[in-house]
Amino acid sequence: GAVVSQHPSWVICKSGTSVKIECRSLDFQATTMFWYRQFPKQSLMLMATSNEGSKATYEQGVEKDKFLINHASLTLSTLTVTSAHPEDSSFYICSARDRVGQPQHFGDGTRLSIL
Amino acid sequence: QQQVKQSPQSLIVQKGGISIINCAYENTAFDYFPWYQQFPGKGPALLIAIRPDVSEKKEGRFTISFNKSAKQFSLHIMDSQPGDSATYFCAASKTTGFQKLVFGTGTRLLVSP
Repeated sequence: GAVVSQHPSWVICKSGTSVKIECRSLDFQATTMFWYRQFPKQSLMLMATSNEGSKATYEQGVEKDKFLINHASLTLSTLTVTSAHPEDSSFYICSARDRVGQPQHFGDGTRLSIL
Repeated sequence: QQQVKQSPQSLIVQKGGISIINCAYENTAFDYFPWYQQFPGKGPALLIAIRPDVSEKKEGRFTISFNKSAKQFSLHIMDSQPGDSATYFCAASKTTGFQKLVFGTGTRLLVSP
């Protein structure tokens, strides 16, 4: 149980384009979803937290207009990287939790490469 | 206040040996301490977690030791196997509010055959 699916697993696109990453909870309802960014050989850095039906809460230093997060249903959250540039290349990972006090379950990440 | 310090950065252990990874936290409001295992190109997977009301928790070959007064906790992997070779992250959070996880810097474990 507690499976989180992320799509796509890998995307390459040209600088200036926008990229959407989906995060789905397959066998539970995710009231809260989290988006992380991970650079090679580094730890996970939280970008934002979203509750279903509410606006996302962004961490300090994360541009909300650059990284658009939508959590429209209890099983789906999306992260859109707008006007992506090479410095946005990274490994993006989502996690989901069904209710307060329960652990976060992580997806397998999306490797984003901007040329 | 929000940092979780993790050591060592990397670790090489022989097959059958004990792997030990240590973490220290500063925020006394943290009351949930999970360990995650991450393989290359994959997301982290929850390995084991502990709350501060116990000093030790064991699940199979994995044990968490927790020292509340020292604000430290550690992961012990007994009878380490080559398949355990991965990056391990400790983390800490509160169990109220958003329960945001603060991750340690990670330990790359290599278990030699």
